[in-house]
Amino acid sequence: DTGVSQDPRHKITKRGQNVTFRCDPISEHNRLYWYRQTLGQGPEFLTYFQNEAQLEKSRLLSDRFSAERPKGSFSTLEIQRTEQGDSAMYLCASSAITGGEQFFGPGTRLTVL
Amino acid sequence: AQSVTQPDIHITVSEGASLELRCNYSYGATPYLFWYVQSPGQGLQLLLKYFSGDTLVQGIKGFEAEFKRSQSSFNLRKPSVHWSDAAEYFCAVGAPGSQGNLIFGKGTKLSVKP
Repeated sequence: DTGVSQDPRHKITKRGQNVTFRCDPISEHNRLYWYRQTLGQGPEFLTYFQNEAQLEKSRLLSDRFSAERPKGSFSTLEIQRTEQGDSAMYLCASSAITGGEQFFGPGTRLTVL
Repeated sequence: AQSVTQPDIHITVSEGASLELRCNYSYGATPYLFWYVQSPGQGLQLLLKYFSGDTLVQGIKGFEAEFKRSQSSFNLRKPSVHWSDAAEYFCAVGAPGSQGNLIFGKGTKLSVKP
């Protein structure tokens, strides 16, 4: 088991462009979470999936953000029309249904110029 | 509102000294409690967790934490700090019995003096 992986690790884009991030959870984990972390802050919850169903979304997740987990395995997070305020580290985590702890990936650092 | 407070933004300790990082939470019921560590360029690693039972929990890397219901606190301790412990530490809470989102504090950055 290689843990949670995220791709890319770094992304630089210009304001107004669309970006997509990928997360591959630990293979036997049913739940997958997305968080955003800005400088000097702890991670803030964005959304989570159980299998392919998106069960909860934060109000932080504006309509420019969309997340999918089409086959209940990997997930993508897309940001449309990026803004400078979207610059942050985007973290993915996964957990087993019967467990309690979430295991985090290394994150994707987004810089919007 | 549910929240987690880590009062110390930055702490510096000497190598070999003891450490205590503070965490207070505001929650409707006793939540699940976690401490994570984040090293530069790394993801968050779980140090320990509390769900129920014994209020003193042991974690990895020689860390322990004590849950105090009366104080709504879950402080992290280590008797002797190593230089490799320099990192940022986050306390988090989650809804009991649920696998939903975690609420994190703002973190405490630990520096270790030789």
